[in-house]
Amino acid sequence: DGGITQSPKYLFRKEGQNVTLSCEQNLNHDAMYWYRQDPGQGLRLIYYSQIVNDFQKGDIAEGYSVSREKKESFPLTVTSAQKNPTAFYLCASSIDRGARGGSYNEQFFGPGTRLTVL
Amino acid sequence: AQSVTQPDIHITVSEGASLELRCNYSYGATPYLFWYVQSPGQGLQLLLKYFSGDTLVQGIKGFEAEFKRSQSSFNLRKPSVHWSDAAEYFCAVGAWSGGSNYKLTFGKGTLLTVNP
Repeated sequence: DGGITQSPKYLFRKEGQNVTLSCEQNLNHDAMYWYRQDPGQGLRLIYYSQIVNDFQKGDIAEGYSVSREKKESFPLTVTSAQKNPTAFYLCASSIDRGARGGSYNEQFFGPGTRLTVL
Repeated sequence: AQSVTQPDIHITVSEGASLELRCNYSYGATPYLFWYVQSPGQGLQLLLKYFSGDTLVQGIKGFEAEFKRSQSSFNLRKPSVHWSDAAEYFCAVGAWSGGSNYKLTFGKGTLLTVNP
């Protein structure tokens, strides 16, 4: 089955430690995204990548880093510089970055990773 | 920059009743509009989308939405709610910035409770 997988589902870390969240997709999508979700805040964009070896900051990139070495993988590292890392993290992908006039703007989401920093 | 407002944080309806969830957007051109649903602890599932054409769009699970340009709205409706519809619903607008950067902006969500 094609889809997006995120691992682990639950993650616990001590304050001050870096942690990396995994996101893999087998949909052959070009674009991938990371969102952070907090209660009552909706989804906020952290980073996105429209093509391999390229990525851009979203609205709340501070304290996070990403890499895009392979088309199917877009890992997110939550660094110790992120002041309030406890949240639900969602990865998404789309066919491409959103061709004008096309239906490629739809994003597909993974099941999420809940990160708790103790 | 685009923005999305979902005025209702929490809505409670009885099973079998009709439902309307409100969404207002702000964007200078014709936006791409989406409704997603999220069950607790899960990812988001796309219910429906609007790009162009007919302003009344049909989605999965019996949902529909109507794009009204004059009101900058994209309200989600369902004629008869089922208990399994209890979830959180997110409206999103897709738009371009800087010529080549496309992103989705989400509303803060509406939590739907369904009473038996």
